[in-house]
This record gives sequence, structure tokens and C-alpha cells, in this order.
Amino acid sequence: EPEVTQTPSHQVTQMGQEVILRCVPISNHLYFYWYRQILGQKVEFLVSFYNNEISEKSEIFDDQFSVERPDGSNFTLKIRSTKLEDSAMYFCASSDWGRLSGNTIYFGEGSWLTVV
Amino acid sequence: AQSVTQLDSHVSVSEGTPVLLRCNYSSSYSPSLFWYVQHPNKGLQLLLKYTSAATLVKGINGFEAEFKKSETSFHLTKPSAHMSDAAEYFCVVSDPFGSSNTGKLIFGQGTTLQVKP
Repeated sequence: EPEVTQTPSHQVTQMGQEVILRCVPISNHLYFYWYRQILGQKVEFLVSFYNNEISEKSEIFDDQFSVERPDGSNFTLKIRSTKLEDSAMYFCASSDWGRLSGNTIYFGEGSWLTVV
Repeated sequence: AQSVTQLDSHVSVSEGTPVLLRCNYSSSYSPSLFWYVQHPNKGLQLLLKYTSAATLVKGINGFEAEFKKSETSFHLTKPSAHMSDAAEYFCVVSDPFGSSNTGKLIFGQGTTLQVKP
């Protein structure tokens, strides 16, 4: 079964450093997403991406964050100047966004980011 | 605005007994509803989804959920719990015909299911 893959599975970074989280969505999907889950809290929507541009972003997704689809297969989340509160599990997801199919979104296994 | 409330943060059952995880939703239109499961140190796996077809939805691993519009509920059930069912369960709502039209998901707080031998 096709799956969304994410790298790295775990990254530790120092506060103020830049981090790039990478994702390979399912190949025929057109919509891509990043979500995050701070330890002990609910999963939160960060951003959705379609047709090479951001289609929606949450209040969390400020200028510190950016997304890119650099080569037609990868989908990256960049966090500039990381803060302690950015420590979380970051999930990449993708969907073929069929209105009649009800938009099933498939998630990767997540990337644990620890900012120290 | 959409929202999801999972009524129990923690549910404990004995192996072989029924499971009930409760979820209520709020949506301005006909929603799509999902249950995802997260096993320890794993990603989010889709258990089942409701997309305005049959109100009783069957999913993987013997789980099912019933969409009740009058009660705005989408409770998850399983007749007989197995040890491997121990995990975090998330009720999720999406508004596929909403104004944002990006298909973003709104997650509930999650319910931890503990299965005792």
C-alpha cells in the first residue's frame, strides 16, 4: 500500500537553528499538509499546499515557517530560528482530495523535533 | 466553525469486552468524519471514515462507528477488545464543502484506550 514517508524520524536541534523536515507524499496525490502534535496535546493543522502554493495556513504557521515542493516528489517544512516551543511531532500528510471520496488524508509516521 | 469533542480522555476495558469511544462534532455543513489511531511511537492510521453514505461505517480491525446527525455524534465501537487495540484514538472532522475547501482536518483531543488482560 502506498504510504507517506518522512525524514528524519527524530531530530535534536539547538534553539535558534534552522530545521528542514522532509516528506515524500503518495505519488498521485495533489494536496499536501503539515500538522504538528506537541506532547500531550491535540494534533494541530499547520498548512495545506496545492498547485505549488499554500492554500491555507493556521495562526501557528507564521513567518518562521515555510513549505516547499522543490522537485515534484518531496515536500518540505522549514523552521527558521527554532524555539523551545517548536518541540513537537510533525506529521506530513497527503490526499487526492476527491470531493465524493470525502478527502481521505494519509499521514506519515511523523518527525520528532526536539529543540534544546 | 468546526469542532470535535471527545468525551473521554481515557478509557480502560478488559480484553474481550466491548469498546466505546465517544465523539461529538460541530459543523456548519455536512461533514466528513474520521477516526484515526496512533499506536505508541507510530504515525496516524485511518480506522474508518464517514462521507455521507451509509451512517454505520465499518473500519479496520473490527471497529465501526455510527453517524447520528440528530445527536451530532460519531462514536467508535468494537464488540471485543484485543490487547493490540491499546492506543490513542482521534475523532476528526473535515468540511469538504466548506469555504476553505482545502480539506484540513480538525482533531479531537484524543482518547487513550487501555486494554487490561
